[in-house]
Amino acid sequence: SQKIEQNSEALNIQEGKTATLTCNYTNYSPAYLQWYRQDPGRGPVFLLLIRENEKEKRKERLKVTFDTTLKQSLFHITASQPADSATYLCALPMDSSYKLIFGSGTRLLVRP
Amino acid sequence: EAGVTQFPSHSVIEKGQTVTLRCDPISGHDNLYWYRRVMGKEIKFLLHFVKESKQDESGMPNNRFLAERTGGTYSTLKVQPAELEDSGVYFCASSLRTGTYTEAFFGQGTRLTVV
Repeated sequence: SQKIEQNSEALNIQEGKTATLTCNYTNYSPAYLQWYRQDPGRGPVFLLLIRENEKEKRKERLKVTFDTTLKQSLFHITASQPADSATYLCALPMDSSYKLIFGSGTRLLVRP
Repeated sequence: EAGVTQFPSHSVIEKGQTVTLRCDPISGHDNLYWYRRVMGKEIKFLLHFVKESKQDESGMPNNRFLAERTGGTYSTLKVQPAELEDSGVYFCASSLRTGTYTEAFFGQGTRLTVV
């Protein structure tokens, strides 16, 4: 079955550094991949979508890569700020449809 | 523009009782989804509406769950009778288009606790 793996351990970094989060998937060839941010008590908020034919996508301080050979996406936040502290979720479309499969998320903590 | 709103934000009910969750999608979004996150697990798909029609309810756990979307506007998700394992956070999301490459807008979720 399709499976998404995100590092369950929290990532703790110093303000100003680059945060890199990993999303690995198996048994699957998704047409695209999405990254969401979730704060405590809130719903996921869409950040970026990257298609299978795109290697890299940027939005302000965010950068996402998508390696379909390695079946991996990397999510980078440059010049991190304490306000970036949140849980980041990777999501893929189920069975090439609109239904999303979510990873368990990685919690990021940026220290001032 | 108002986002996706869900009511209530929290609900605590006893096993065997009935609970109805409500979701108001973003105006103009024909696509509405329900997802659920139970303790320690990932967010999982429950079902999908296009306007008032159920397109896919393959993720609904069992027949104790009933979702409706009368008139293609807001949606309700009823759990009757509730069981302990139904506890979790129920998210509603909406999107403008059905096709791929479509971002979904999520509500804040309803935290359901069955005791």
